[in-house]
Amino acid sequence: EDQVTQSPEALRLQEGESSSLNCSYTVSGLRGLFWYRQDPGKGPEFLFTLYSAGEEKEKERLKATLTKKESFLHITAPKPEDSATYLCAVQALGTDKLIFGTGTRLQVFP
Amino acid sequence: DGGITQSPKYLFRKEGQNVTLSCEQNLNHDAMYWYRQDPGQGLRLIYYSQIVNDFQKGDIAEGYSVSREKKESFPLTVTSAQKNPTAFYLCASSIDRSLGYTFGSGTRLTVV
Repeated sequence: EDQVTQSPEALRLQEGESSSLNCSYTVSGLRGLFWYRQDPGKGPEFLFTLYSAGEEKEKERLKATLTKKESFLHITAPKPEDSATYLCAVQALGTDKLIFGTGTRLQVFP
Repeated sequence: DGGITQSPKYLFRKEGQNVTLSCEQNLNHDAMYWYRQDPGQGLRLIYYSQIVNDFQKGDIAEGYSVSREKKESFPLTVTSAQKNPTAFYLCASSIDRSLGYTFGSGTRLTVV
């Protein structure tokens, strides 16, 4: 069964304290892995798509990487405005739907 | 600006009542989706539609119904058969899955 597990469930960081969020996945064949950011009471906002092991993408303080079994979202020198829930999702080959993890709730304190 | 509009933002349903959640997009996207989000759980797919007048059940379609009469619109009806409808409902669309989904701002449905 296709599955996505995110860890940790919650993460508290001091402003400027870099860290990483993990997304482990099991899928019959990976078509794509997606990262989203979700603010409270709002819909998720698309961040990145990764397709193959070794691929990396960056956006401001965020960098996403992909291996054959997991993806990491690295946050460098985070700011309070980076506080949000970060969602990971995978799409298997031959399907149209995304399978989401439960997310990591990130809080960055000044 | 292009985007997805969900309405209402908050909705209250009485026991035994059917309610309809609206989802409209002006992005010219072919595919549209409905997800349900509960605390501590990942988003779960209810229904999706790749083209007008066609839609498929997702993982948790029981107690829900949809229609896709226009490209821009994909309303979701929560019927009285849905036993636990209290949740945050998200509508999304995509033109190319590699670009990810564009989500609406959600409707929070509460049973009273």
